[in-house]
Amino acid sequence: SYELTQPLSVSVALGQTARITCGGNNIGSKNVHWYQQKPGQAPLVVIYRDSNRPSGIPERFSGSNSGNTATLTISRAQAGDESDYYCQVWDSTTWVFGGGTKLTVL
Amino acid sequence: EVQLVESGGGLVQPGGSLRLSCEASGFTFSSYAMNWVRQAPGKGLEWVSYITGSSSTISYANSVKGRFTISRDNAKNSLYLQMNSLRDEDTAVYYCARDEVEVAGQSYYYGMDVWGQGTTVTVSS
Repeated sequence: SYELTQPLSVSVALGQTARITCGGNNIGSKNVHWYQQKPGQAPLVVIYRDSNRPSGIPERFSGSNSGNTATLTISRAQAGDESDYYCQVWDSTTWVFGGGTKLTVL
Repeated sequence: EVQLVESGGGLVQPGGSLRLSCEASGFTFSSYAMNWVRQAPGKGLEWVSYITGSSSTISYANSVKGRFTISRDNAKNSLYLQMNSLRDEDTAVYYCARDEVEVAGQSYYYGMDVWGQGTTVTVSS
């Protein structure tokens, strides 16, 4: 079965750029989606199909996908960005989520 | 307002059964594929099951295959998850989530863009 690997945690200074990676075998050939989840809340899609932002998601959120790594980039990080982030792909007939990354804004 | 509301969670003994429901409103339910996604306490997201708008395609995670059954009633704008032979490791918050939309035979995907608030299932003796 297909596996997605994310770092357990990423830290970023307030106002700086955070990058969260999602590794998978030839993930560049798949569409990657990213979710933000705050404690006690349902997930929220922040990037779909590699690099598309839903309405209401700030331009500070961007995504890229190539080779074996997809990346979620959060520019000018704010305290409110502190959350868990999950990548997701469709593999064959199933959805696969990465293990999640806790973003800490210092 | 576009909304999903889950119900049916609760405490059940190992080996027992439970049926979750998810009621949709504010959108054309039959045009959308739907999912169940769960999250064990302190853990990450785990996809459980998927069903297309017409119920023509259904898939399950290996961890629940043969024990869980997804279904939908488009006339009632409702999604269901029948859970049998429950195990301790099925303890989780269960979310329903909207998937791709089919319009005039074409599918469009915007991520799982609408989620319910979740319903808690606890399997314990």
